[in-house]
Amino acid sequence: QVQLKESGPGLVAPSQSLSITCTVSGFSLTSYDISWIRQPPGKGLEWLGVIWTGGGTNYNSAFMSRLSISKDNSKSQVFLKMNSLQTDDTAIYYCVRARLTGTGYFDVWGAGTTVTVSS
Amino acid sequence: DIVMTQSHKFMSTSVGDRVSITCKASQDVGTAVAWYQQKPGQSPKLLIYWASTRHTGVPDRFTGSGSGTDFTLTISNVQSEDLADYFCQQYSSYPTFGAGTKLELK
Repeated sequence: QVQLKESGPGLVAPSQSLSITCTVSGFSLTSYDISWIRQPPGKGLEWLGVIWTGGGTNYNSAFMSRLSISKDNSKSQVFLKMNSLQTDDTAIYYCVRARLTGTGYFDVWGAGTTVTVSS
Repeated sequence: DIVMTQSHKFMSTSVGDRVSITCKASQDVGTAVAWYQQKPGQSPKLLIYWASTRHTGVPDRFTGSGSGTDFTLTISNVQSEDLADYFCQQYSSYPTFGAGTKLELK
């Protein structure tokens, strides 16, 4: 069964960094690209970036200076790290399986992990 | 950035009705558009890609249409389980989403 599952810290203090792990099952990270998407409370969806099967990355220009995506194929894990968090970074963060070079459409979504930025 | 505009934040419908949800792109995106359904407390689910291709397992009452800048998701014979938020997304350039349309009962 194809699944993605995010695990994150829940609460992050302002100006601190965020680290989230996405563990996939039912498919290989060497065959599919993985994107990260977030959704602030009661709002729409925002694409953050992608890591391609070969390990290359592409980021939304709005986050390029403080976002890093990496992976460990052997562990079937993808990692998101975002620096200098502020309160408007409060959101549900989803890892998603991406089609068409990773910036296409998204056919399988994780359940998401809620991140609250607060002191 | 390509902006996707869903002009109706809310739409009301009745079970058995046909409803059309619209989405407009700020520039020509060809047919590089997907639609997602999101129910409360759940992650979005892919319904349609390439503007009109139904994803595996999606009921045929969901139909996507359009090209260029204007796109429509039509739900025929609306069922109670279809009451949800619907988002459009373009992937002609880096992905951007519409703000969503909430489908509610009249």
